[in-house]
Amino acid sequence: QKEVEQNSGPLSVPEGAIASLNCTYSDRVSQSFFWYRQYSGKSPELIMSIYSNGDKEDGRFTAQLNKASQYVSLLIRDSQPSDSATYLCAVNMDSNYQLIWGAGTKLIIKP
Amino acid sequence: EAGVTQFPSHSVIEKGQTVTLRCDPISGHDNLYWYRRVMGKEIKFLLHFVKESKQDESGMPNNRFLAERTGGTYSTLKVQPAELEDSGVYFCASSLMMIYEQYFGPGTRLTVT
Repeated sequence: QKEVEQNSGPLSVPEGAIASLNCTYSDRVSQSFFWYRQYSGKSPELIMSIYSNGDKEDGRFTAQLNKASQYVSLLIRDSQPSDSATYLCAVNMDSNYQLIWGAGTKLIIKP
Repeated sequence: EAGVTQFPSHSVIEKGQTVTLRCDPISGHDNLYWYRRVMGKEIKFLLHFVKESKQDESGMPNNRFLAERTGGTYSTLKVQPAELEDSGVYFCASSLMMIYEQYFGPGTRLTVT
């Protein structure tokens, strides 16, 4: 079983709707959780970080963390075609500072 | 503020040759990380520097890979001799403190033929 799991997609969402991306992680002491966006051929771009249970909002993005259930999610409101990309979930585990990565979910926003 | 930069953007070498990748972190970031993404796989951690010291090199695949960060500024990652399975995109990232957000460079795409 992978340490960080994401549905590879593609997830297709109509423009203007809410896109919901999910990530689950293994039962280790996880400290920090990150969502990165990666356009094809480009490097990962940090869009959200979350460190404690609950919701964290930044513009159209909301990250949700539930440590008891071992999942972290990303909601994108008012989805735009420019949001079409692969979304990567990354987690710091144990006392290491390396990021453990999911395989990413490909999101397609249809006009 | 300049972001993380990497050089070269793309390198094509033959099996058995040597390649050196360079990363310049964001100014003031003591933490520097190397990651690699092989085609079709997840991004994998290689190693982590704090200033000039190797904090964690548990992800380095074998002794053909050598990373340095002399003076605690830029870092180099040397692959010698390169093998076909070393092909992939090598990313460098930096962060201000260890548990803070990591910012990625554009990556170096390495192709070993």
